Amino acid sequence: AQSVTQLDSQVPVFEEAPVELRCNYSSSVSVYLFWYVQYPNQGLQLLLKYLSGSTLVKGINGFEAEFNKSQTSFHLRKPSDHISDTAEYFCAVSENSGYALNFGKGTSLLVTP
Amino acid sequence: NAGVTQTPKFRILKIGQSMTLQCTQDMNHNYMYWYRQDPGMGLKLIYYSVGAGITDKGEVPNGYNVSRSTTEDFPLRLELAAPSQTSVYFCASTSSRGFQPQHFGDGTRLSIL
Repeated sequence: AQSVTQLDSQVPVFEEAPVELRCNYSSSVSVYLFWYVQYPNQGLQLLLKYLSGSTLVKGINGFEAEFNKSQTSFHLRKPSDHISDTAEYFCAVSENSGYALNFGKGTSLLVTP
Repeated sequence: NAGVTQTPKFRILKIGQSMTLQCTQDMNHNYMYWYRQDPGMGLKLIYYSVGAGITDKGEVPNGYNVSRSTTEDFPLRLELAAPSQTSVYFCASTSSRGFQPQHFGDGTRLSIL
């Protein structure tokens, strides 16, 4: 069975500083990887996804993530944060034969001036 | 472009009452899902459907029921509300399992007192 671990429950950063949100997964089969963002009182929106090919994927709002198969990781990064990036971020994994997503517990990113 | 629409947005129930959370999508997606989100726990899958007339249990189905009579609609029923069902409920849909991202509604915030 697959599992997703988001290593940090909260990440505080200053505006314009870089940030990395960590995600590790475990699975015995090939997976698809996703990062979603949830702003307060809203649903989840897709930030980016890794299906195959280049291990560095770029998403919306300047975010990018790198798939590392040997370390089973899919860390999310942004070189310069904005206050508007304050939100909850979820890493999710889907097996190529699966019907549903398996979510991590989320990381709360707080960007302050 | 409505996407996934959930109603109601907020609801307070008394213990033992029943209610139906509505979910409809206008993207002609075959796959639909119900998740619950509890603080610090990520999203847990309650039920999912791979097409009209076909539903299956997810990770936490107890206390809930679903039906899928049309492609567009996927209602979630609580028969005997319990305090443990206080949560935020999200409906999602996708066109294909595995590699296609899921589209989420804005959620229903349910309190059971």
